[in-house]
Amino acid sequence: ETGVTQSPTHLIKTRGQQVTLRCSSQSGHNTVSWYQQALGQGPQFIFQYYREEENGRGNFPPRFSGLQFPNYSSELNVNALELDDSALYLCASSSGSRTDTQYFGPGTRLTVL
Amino acid sequence: AQSVTQLGSHVSVSEGALVLLRCNYSSSVPPYLFWYVQYPNQGLQLLLKYTSAATLVKGINGFEAEFKKSETSFHLTKPSAHMSDAAEYFCAVKVGNQGGKLIFGQGTELSVKP
Repeated sequence: ETGVTQSPTHLIKTRGQQVTLRCSSQSGHNTVSWYQQALGQGPQFIFQYYREEENGRGNFPPRFSGLQFPNYSSELNVNALELDDSALYLCASSSGSRTDTQYFGPGTRLTVL
Repeated sequence: AQSVTQLGSHVSVSEGALVLLRCNYSSSVPPYLFWYVQYPNQGLQLLLKYTSAATLVKGINGFEAEFKKSETSFHLTKPSAHMSDAAEYFCAVKVGNQGGKLIFGQGTELSVKP
């Protein structure tokens, strides 16, 4: 059984550019959640996908968007990058029940210059 | 609204000493609570979770936590600290029905002195 994987590991972009981050969920999981973790902070919920549909969204602007594919992998897209978007982006997969555990990937470190 | 407060952004203990990391929650419904650990430049690893079964929850690496409804607390403890326990620890409450999102505390950095 493979765990949650994310790519790329690190990424450097300039302000105004667009970025796509990828996440492969753990085998048997149909739900993917994305979190942003700024330096020295706890992770903040961006949004969640359940069976290819958005299933909840945090307090992030529309330039943060996502997709989930039939194999339950997911993408996070961020348009018009700002300096404050520099953070560790974490993906978590789960089975979708109320009491289940979210298992996290290693994250993608995004630096916006 | 549900929230989590971790008391103490940094805790330092000696190797072999008791580890106590504090977490208080605010929830209008029975909470589902989690502790995660994050090592430098890594993702989050689940230590333990409370989902309304036993109030004393045992996790990995010798950690445990006790759910106390009267104190709205879910403190993390370990009887004897090891150097390898040095990391960032996050308490989180899960909100929502299906799926749900995690609301995290600000984190507590644990240092272990030899």
